[in-house]
Amino acid sequence: GAGVSQSPRYKVAKRGQDVALRCDPISGHVSLFWYQQALGQGPEFLTYFQNEAQLDKSGLPSDRFFAERPEGSVSTLKIQRTQQEDSAVYLCASSPERGQTYGYTFGSGTRLTVV
Amino acid sequence: QKEVEQDPGPLSVPEGAIVSLNCTYSNSAFQYFMWYRQYSRKGPELLMYTYSSGNKEDGRFTAQVDKSSKYISLFIRDSQPSDSATYLCAMSEFSGGYNKLIFGAGTRLAVHP
Repeated sequence: GAGVSQSPRYKVAKRGQDVALRCDPISGHVSLFWYQQALGQGPEFLTYFQNEAQLDKSGLPSDRFFAERPEGSVSTLKIQRTQQEDSAVYLCASSPERGQTYGYTFGSGTRLTVV
Repeated sequence: QKEVEQDPGPLSVPEGAIVSLNCTYSNSAFQYFMWYRQYSRKGPELLMYTYSSGNKEDGRFTAQVDKSSKYISLFIRDSQPSDSATYLCAMSEFSGGYNKLIFGAGTRLAVHP
């Protein structure tokens, strides 16, 4: 596709429910990032993939958060036993090269509300 | 203290005004400095990119980086209502073969006709 596609756009989850958020990066993009953006805040790094390899997961806030990119294209961010503090917009970004220093293309995000 | 500090605003200016947006940072290893624009319910889009210190101009936008003061700025000339958005500064150091962007909190800008 022409851009980074994320689905669903909106998700309401009951506290304790598991959720899965999907990211379709631009075709052929090697690097893929997940960010979390709380209301009124800037995006915060969660995790980084280079192709199918998860090279950095230092930003994942707890072991309830899990991300995968099994074939080096589509990625899924899974949150188990959701809590109210997980409410945020989850952004996915991709870039064509491993060492690119700028110009990541962001998706429009998935807005997660935990009630 | 956060690595990147940015005044959240909001900032309200009349159409045609010059807008100045700023960020400070604490990590002297940052080498790459960016400004993103984010419209409501959209993802951030890259506006300006600067490597190391100096100025860069692109149309109505000018980005400045002063590494000695750990201070970056974005100037918008002849502001338009369509410039109304949240502006995020972001910076990174190239480490481990990739760039992990660290964002400021974003400044909300409203340009009124």
